[in-house]
Amino acid sequence: GAVVSQHPSWVICKSGTSVKIECRSLDFQATTMFWYRQFPKQSLMLMATSNEGSKATYEQGVEKDKFLINHASLTLSTLTVTSAHPEDSSFYICSARDILQGGEGGYTFGSGTRLTVV
Amino acid sequence: GNSVTQMEGPVTLSEEAFLTINCTYTATGYPSLFWYVQYPGEGLQLLLKATKADDKGSNKGFEATYRKETTSFHLEKGSVQVSDSAVYFCARLKGGRRALTFGSGTRLQVQP
Repeated sequence: GAVVSQHPSWVICKSGTSVKIECRSLDFQATTMFWYRQFPKQSLMLMATSNEGSKATYEQGVEKDKFLINHASLTLSTLTVTSAHPEDSSFYICSARDILQGGEGGYTFGSGTRLTVV
Repeated sequence: GNSVTQMEGPVTLSEEAFLTINCTYTATGYPSLFWYVQYPGEGLQLLLKATKADDKGSNKGFEATYRKETTSFHLEKGSVQVSDSAVYFCARLKGGRRALTFGSGTRLQVQP
């Protein structure tokens, strides 16, 4: 079945540094990928929709300059947390939609990245 | 708006017990509804879905019926197993963005 690889699975960084998270669709092409953030014991909150070859669409309240998203190919989207601070510590999850699967299905999720900013 | 509300966990059951996890959604049109499951250390996986009113999604013994009268999509299983221990998320499609809006998740722990 469809597989999405998300890397790294966990990262610890110093406050003020930047961290890049990769999301790859391994056996399918995805024109659209989604980035979510999950706080402890809370739901997944959509941060942005990443579209191949164009600018990402951010949800209200999400800082574009802080969470840089690049979707340069049909199989790769990256999320860069710039100048990270402790409040950015969270669990980040990506999801990719198979362009060949129409209708309401085709969403595959990565295993998530645990970011800890110290 | 587009939101999903599901019962809080954790839910602890004995093996072979009956499971219900409640989920309701806000009704703006007739969104497609989903249940996702997250096993420890893994990504979210689609468990079942329903795309229109009165549809019943089913998979691995789990069922959920799309009820527009009560705007609900409750997850049920007649006899749970230890291997069903996981976090379950109810979700709906979010309008034109085609992204998913999730409930808060319900942790299920099944004891032998």
